[in-house]
Amino acid sequence: EVQLVESGGGLVQPGGSLRLSCAASGFTFSDFWMHWVRQAPGEGLVWVSRINTDGSITNYADSVKGRFTISRDNAKNTLYLQMNSLRVEDTALYYCVRGVPGNYYWVYWGQGTLVSVSS
Amino acid sequence: QSALTQPPSVSGSPGQSVTISCTGTSSDVGSYNRVSWYQQPPGTAPKLMIFEVSNRPSGVPDRFSGSKSGNTASLTISGLQAEDEADYYCSSYRSGNTYVFGTGTKVTVL
Repeated sequence: EVQLVESGGGLVQPGGSLRLSCAASGFTFSDFWMHWVRQAPGEGLVWVSRINTDGSITNYADSVKGRFTISRDNAKNTLYLQMNSLRVEDTALYYCVRGVPGNYYWVYWGQGTLVSVSS
Repeated sequence: QSALTQPPSVSGSPGQSVTISCTGTSSDVGSYNRVSWYQQPPGTAPKLMIFEVSNRPSGVPDRFSGSKSGNTASLTISGLQAEDEADYYCSSYRSGNTYVFGTGTKVTVL
């Protein structure tokens, strides 16, 4: 069974940093592109970033480019999102999502980890 | 990066049909058949309902269907059921190696 379990969320002040983790199991992690998608409270889904299978290719939404860094450790079956210079508008539930090889949609989602940016 | 445009809400009685539109641009919906739709009941993670404009994953009822014309994709729920009440989001690949979601539509079963 595919499982994606996010952790690392919490309350942080504006300008602060946080690192999210996503522990993957039930599939060969190194075979799949991985994504982060976020959802502010009561708001819609927003794609944040993606990373290819070996970590050599990364893409970001304009709203986080230069502040967030996606990475992965295939030996640990873990996806990361390093978030720096956090803003109030980064407050959201962050989902870890598995890509579908060669395709542009998502089947497996984690349950999310909540990031709150507030003074 | 602006979101795809969806109506905030649609509603219908059980058994009726409802259609949700998803309007993008020539940089996303209009140029790629990479549109997918997700159902999200309150407090849960999104669930894939349609991929590549009109394909249903196994296990999704055939009352859910998708289509596209120009820069606008659509999701139709035929024979609306109480369990269909949820938020629905479209998504598309966008040129420049990014993705974009729609603004979301709340479906209410009257």
